[in-house]
Formats: sequence, C-alpha cells, structure tokens
Amino acid sequence: DQQVKQNSPSLSVQEGRISILNCDYTNSMFDYFLWYKKYPAEGPTFLISISSIKDKNEDGRFTVFLNKSAKHLSLHIVPSQPGDSAVYFCAASPYSGAGSYQLTFGKGTKLSVIP
Amino acid sequence: GAGVSQSPSNKVTEKGKDVELRCDPISGHTALYWYRQSLGQGLEFLIYFQGNSAPDKSGLPSDRFSAERTGGSVSTLTIQRTQQEDSAVYLCASSLAARPNNQPQHFGDGTRLSIL
Repeated sequence: DQQVKQNSPSLSVQEGRISILNCDYTNSMFDYFLWYKKYPAEGPTFLISISSIKDKNEDGRFTVFLNKSAKHLSLHIVPSQPGDSAVYFCAASPYSGAGSYQLTFGKGTKLSVIP
Repeated sequence: GAGVSQSPSNKVTEKGKDVELRCDPISGHTALYWYRQSLGQGLEFLIYFQGNSAPDKSGLPSDRFSAERTGGSVSTLTIQRTQQEDSAVYLCASSLAARPNNQPQHFGDGTRLSIL
C-alpha cells in the first residue's frame, strides 16, 4: 500500500511558466513533508520542506503548499527554468515516539522544462 | 568534501557473494539512514542510526542485510549471500539530528549494486 503517491509520472512545462507538482498521502501520522530533486546518477537533493503546523513555505522560486484536511501537498516552481528538469520526489516523515524518522517517498515525477 | 560520501559508486558481483557498502556522513550529523531504490521504484527505507542508540532495523528486507556505525560516524551496510533481487541503488543520508527539530536528510550519490 503506497502511503505517498505522486500520480503524475511526468510533466512538461514551458520555460518561464509555473510548474506544479502534486503529492497525496494516506498516513495521518505524517507531519513533516519534503521535496527532493534528483538528476540521473546523483543522489536526491533536498529542496524545501514543510511542517504540519504550516500550510505554506516559500524559498525563492520554490513554494510548498500543504492541505492537511485533503492530505495533499504541492510544489510550485515559478518561473520554471531548463535547469529545473529532473525527477522530483515527495517524501513524508511521521512523528514517532520510538525516535526513528525515516522518510516514505513517492515514486517521483519527471519534470521537463522546455526552452 | 562537505557532502555525504558513499563508496564504491558502482559494484558488480556474482550471486552468492558478500558485499560491503560504505557511507561517510556529513561531519556533525548524528542521524544516519540507509535507503535503496530498485528499478522503477521509489526510495525504500532500510535502517536508521541515531547517536549511540540502538538502530531501527525495521526496513531491512531479510537477515542477509546488516549495518553498523562505528564511532558514531562512518557506516557500513553488508549484504551476505547476495541475490539478484538485491540489485538496486543503495543511498545513504544523514541529518543534524532526529526530530523534532525537523532537520532534512541529505543524501549521497549512492552505490549502484548489480548482482550477476
């Protein structure tokens, strides 16, 4: 059972326009959410995160929105640049009294920004 | 370097052999994680170390997999009697601390393991 879902395997966007990547989760215990970017043959690079006490977090061209009632988060990239072309992973972490905060990842969305 | 370092970057071995994968976390990071990514799949949690506490091994897929972390720094993931389904990219991540400080995990570039 996939607890973190990225339903769009790929997305194409024109340079300069907005990219919106979506992520849904099912586990109510998740309370910390992250987005990672991954280029081929490299490890995931941390982009931005959001705690469940917030509904929005912004860092430069990247904004993450969290809708807890819908168990949905999205990553907005404005304006999109060709260098943003990569696979984007959504990840979530629960609060765990046992102290292990492993991330549960979606399967990723491949973003292509067309010049 | 300043990032998480993993070695080797690629490993090809025959079925049945043992392999060791190494991870050097970012200096000062107390939390260390191992994940793997099989072809066409998302990243799957394997094991977690936090300081001197007992590791969380709940993600290890079988008793052929083990890991240790010496001196609270370098970690080694060992796979005994490798099987073809062990072929994957093994990724290591570290963070400043475990929650509740909400510290993001930073990943190395991984070890691509191929079992013939």
